[in-house]
Amino acid sequence: GESVGLHLPTLSVQEGDNSIINCAYSNSASDYFIWYKQESGKGPQFIIDIRSNMDKRQGQRVTVLLNKTVKHLSLQIAATQPGDSAVYFCAENALQISGNTGKLIFGQGTTLQVKP
Amino acid sequence: NAGVMQNPRHLVRRRGQEARLRCSPMKGHSHVYWYRQLPEEGLKFMVYLQKENIIDESGMPKERFSAEFPKEGPSILRIQQVVRGDSAAYFCASSLTGTGDEQYFGPGTRLTVT
Repeated sequence: GESVGLHLPTLSVQEGDNSIINCAYSNSASDYFIWYKQESGKGPQFIIDIRSNMDKRQGQRVTVLLNKTVKHLSLQIAATQPGDSAVYFCAENALQISGNTGKLIFGQGTTLQVKP
Repeated sequence: NAGVMQNPRHLVRRRGQEARLRCSPMKGHSHVYWYRQLPEEGLKFMVYLQKENIIDESGMPKERFSAEFPKEGPSILRIQQVVRGDSAAYFCASSLTGTGDEQYFGPGTRLTVT
């Protein structure tokens, strides 16, 4: 069945270091992937997305890498800051599937802890 | 431009009571998604609605749960005869076109069933 999973439940990094959060997905039909950040007591906040016709996309301090061969997604955060501490979720969608309604399938989440 | 709004932010109900959760999408958005998040877990899709229509309810429990998105007013997620297992955070997201574009999430309603 469809599933999106995270490799590690918690990632602890030093302030200023780069962070890499990984995600594996099992539905080869998925063609749209999103990373969300969720702070305690708040709703998910969009970080960056990528479609399956790309393997890399960059934003401000963040980069998403997509490896369709091994069905792996990663989020890289450069120069991690205390404000980056949160739970990070990857989510997927299969936009090209007939009848797709845009619902997102979320992974379990990785907690990022930034040490000052 | 106000974001997605949800109310109440916190809701406490006793077992057997009804819970009503409201979601006002972003201005101009007519597509609404509801997700449920249990503690320490990811979000699980429940239902997708457009104005006056339920498009996909494949994630909704068959009993006690219902959703609507009337022509005027917010989307409502209704849970009848709540049980302790319904305790969770319920998030609403809205999007402009419904497929392939960003879903903007509200702050959620945290339901506690005592």
